[in-house]
Amino acid sequence: EIVLTQSPATLSLSPGERATLSCRASQSVSYHLVWYQQKAGQAPRLLMYDASNRATGIPARFSGSGSGTDFTLTISSLEPEDFAVYYCQQRSSWRWTFGQGTKVEIQ
Amino acid sequence: EVLLVESGGGLVQPGGSLRLSCAASGFTFSSYAMSWVRQAPGKGLEWVSTLSGSGVTTYYTESVKGRFTISRDNSKNTLSLQMNSLRAEDTAIYYCAKLGPASSSHYFDYWGQGTLVTVSS
Repeated sequence: EIVLTQSPATLSLSPGERATLSCRASQSVSYHLVWYQQKAGQAPRLLMYDASNRATGIPARFSGSGSGTDFTLTISSLEPEDFAVYYCQQRSSWRWTFGQGTKVEIQ
Repeated sequence: EVLLVESGGGLVQPGGSLRLSCAASGFTFSSYAMSWVRQAPGKGLEWVSTLSGSGVTTYYTESVKGRFTISRDNSKNTLSLQMNSLRAEDTAIYYCAKLGPASSSHYFDYWGQGTLVTVSS
């Protein structure tokens, strides 16, 4: 099973700052890495798929990069609505796994 | 607009059973694989099970194999999860999630709001 490790666990930033979230896979997932955003009390929402493709309706301040085992989600300038938990996810051999999440909180 | 609405959650004793349902609308239901993903209180996301659009092929995470059964009724646009021999560690919010198109079935593009299952005596 491919294990996804996210870092940091918590990111304390102020609105307007840049957020950089990392996701590392225990073996290569090619470019098939996905990011979700989950706000408190809500269901997860698809943000990025195939590492760098924004889902429908996702603002351009969100960007993704990486391939193989190392991936990054960047929020160029944090808006108040961006403070949430972010999960990465992959599928391998018809098993879907998630990282443990990175919480982006207001400093 | 894609809409997924779960129901059937509740409080059940250890060893008991529960059946979750997910009513889908806004897309051609039979064309997409569907999944259940759960989230224990205060924890991260855990994939539980996936069913192909035809209803023929199933996938389960190891911890629920032999206890949970995923099924669908394409005539009613409904996904179900029969949960038997429930354990305390099955306590979670259970989300119904739609997978992307066949060429991109590695991500969940739409999620329901979830239904809470609590296993406790």
